[in-house]
Amino acid sequence: QVQLVQSGAEVKKPGASVKVSCKASGYTFTGYYMHWLRQAPGQGLEWMGWIIPNSGGTDYAQKFQGRVTMTRDTSISTTYMELSSLRSDDTAVYYCARGRAITDSFDIWGQGTMVTVSS
Amino acid sequence: QSVLTQPPSASGTPGQRVTISCSGSSFNIGSNYVYWYQQLPGTAPKLLIYRNNQRPSGVPDRFSGSKSGTSASLAISGLRSEDEADYYCAAWDDSLSGVVFGGGTKLTVL
Repeated sequence: QVQLVQSGAEVKKPGASVKVSCKASGYTFTGYYMHWLRQAPGQGLEWMGWIIPNSGGTDYAQKFQGRVTMTRDTSISTTYMELSSLRSDDTAVYYCARGRAITDSFDIWGQGTMVTVSS
Repeated sequence: QSVLTQPPSASGTPGQRVTISCSGSSFNIGSNYVYWYQQLPGTAPKLLIYRNNQRPSGVPDRFSGSKSGTSASLAISGLRSEDEADYYCAAWDDSLSGVVFGGGTKLTVL
């Protein structure tokens, strides 16, 4: 079945970087966009940006530009989201989610990866 | 502060019909599709409504979406205990060139 499986929880110190992976299966990996979103504890959803796996093209929300990098490895149908210069307010569950187009809905979601930033 | 505005909470009794509103602007809801997501406690969000009023396969027809101008709404009829969840509206925003969300509405089934 179509699914996205993310890497496990991470604990990082302020100023460090974190890289979260998202492995796709059950569909043509290069045929869909992959978006990344996050949700701080008790808060709502926040969109971070997207990557199109066939070309590696990306676009990031202005808030995260300069700190986020999205990449992919088509040989293993996996996308990555790396966030640098971590701060305590980056503590959140990070999700990958599939989309047919840049402005289209997120029809399949990963299970989420908890990233905790603490000294 | 979320770009789209939703009431923080809503409630109803089993069998009732409830609606959740979502207000935006000409840059987002007024010119783009609206999407609704359901997030059950401790789980990832799930697509509930796409392109204003379309239901993905497997979503019961108790859930319906509508849009008018710069506002949208989600209606849930025949309320059930398993509908207790957080509901988020979303849309593309042309001025921000990104996806924006409402702050979420926590639905309680009394």
